[in-house]
Amino acid sequence: DTGVSQDPRHKITKRGQNVTFRCDPISEHNRLYWYRQTLGQGPEFLTYFQNEAQLEKSRLLSDRFSAERPKGSFSTLEIQRTEQGDSAMYLCASSSTNEARPEKLFFGSGTQLSVL
Amino acid sequence: DAKTTQPPSMDCAEGRAANLPCNHSTISGNEYVYWYRQIHSQGPQYIIHGLKNNETNEMASLIITEDRKSSTLILPHATLRDTAVYYCIPNSGGGADGLTFGKGTHLIIQP
Repeated sequence: DTGVSQDPRHKITKRGQNVTFRCDPISEHNRLYWYRQTLGQGPEFLTYFQNEAQLEKSRLLSDRFSAERPKGSFSTLEIQRTEQGDSAMYLCASSSTNEARPEKLFFGSGTQLSVL
Repeated sequence: DAKTTQPPSMDCAEGRAANLPCNHSTISGNEYVYWYRQIHSQGPQYIIHGLKNNETNEMASLIITEDRKSSTLILPHATLRDTAVYYCIPNSGGGADGLTFGKGTHLIIQP
């Protein structure tokens, strides 16, 4: 168990650029979640996958945000045409529905995005 | 998801028990009470959960009132490494619900 890994840890970009973040969940975990956290606030749920299927995406903040998990393992979160308001910590979490209920989430250390 | 009320901050002396309260008066019958914590610059970490009964694990104890409208997380012997933001989260168990984090309680352990 190497934990949830996120890459990069920090990203600085200019307004209008596209950015992509990667998340590698704990192996054998079939669920993967994305959250966003702004300064002084708790994490905000964005979307989640069960295996390769994206089962909830209505909480993605705008159509500039998209996520994929093509083979049911790692996931990517893309933000197109970034805005300064997108500056935040983006957190990934994974869990297993094969373990005892209820579900426990294991979080990565996040990607800190700064949009200039 | 049920709304929660937690004090914004608390202090506790190192070595003493830290008792963190949470009100969740609108919790549903099928919702667990989860506690997570977030140490600065890290992602949240699961601590403990409960439904009706009190629970204890290697990290903490969870006391849930009989009416389930409030709970208390107890760190029995707080250390400096327990300084973190603690979140109380009623949730039916993941998936599309997604955990709803409030602002939590910033617990500061004083040497």
